[in-house]
Amino acid sequence: AQSVTQLGSHVSVSEGALVLLRCNYSSSVPPYLFWYVQYPNQGLQLLLKYTTGATLVKGINGFEAEFKKSETSFHLTKPSAHMSDAAEYFCAVSEMDSSYKLIFGSGTRLLVRP
Amino acid sequence: SAVISQKPSRDICQRGTSLTIQCQVDSQVTMMFWYRQQPGQSLTLIATANQGSEATYESGFVIDKFPISRPNLTFSTLTVSNLSPEDSSIYLCSGALGGTGEQFFGPGTRLTVL
Repeated sequence: AQSVTQLGSHVSVSEGALVLLRCNYSSSVPPYLFWYVQYPNQGLQLLLKYTTGATLVKGINGFEAEFKKSETSFHLTKPSAHMSDAAEYFCAVSEMDSSYKLIFGSGTRLLVRP
Repeated sequence: SAVISQKPSRDICQRGTSLTIQCQVDSQVTMMFWYRQQPGQSLTLIATANQGSEATYESGFVIDKFPISRPNLTFSTLTVSNLSPEDSSIYLCSGALGGTGEQFFGPGTRLTVL
């Protein structure tokens, strides 16, 4: 079975600093990978996804992630944090079958200090 | 993409009663899912809502407690029955168009059971 591990339940950065949120997955085949963001009292919004092709994926709001097969990682980065980036971030991997299920990590809460 | 709406957005219910949550998608989706998100936690898949047939439940979730209907490709309901305070959570609906397994999420229904 596939699984997703997000290191760090809370990450705190200063405004303008680099954001790095870590995600590692376990899968027997190259998976489809996703990052979602959840703002307070809202549903989940897709930030970016990796399916095939270029391993560096750019998403909305200046975020990007790199798929590294050798490290089974899909870390999320943003060069300069903004106060509005404070939210919960979830990494997810798609079950590689016909179920279309997503397996979610435990989430990382990003805090941005002024 | 798909836009998903849920009703109600929040509710406060008494122990022993039931709550039915509606999920409407603005376009036909291949799959629809229901998740539970307990306070401060990640998403847990309750079931896959199948059009015109019984839902497929994940381990730990049963039809008697979480009856689900999906009469067509754009609408589904989740009922949480015989409510207890432990059912206080956010319930999220999602839809997948197929292909990569990307899911689009509704805004969630925040349930508080007294």
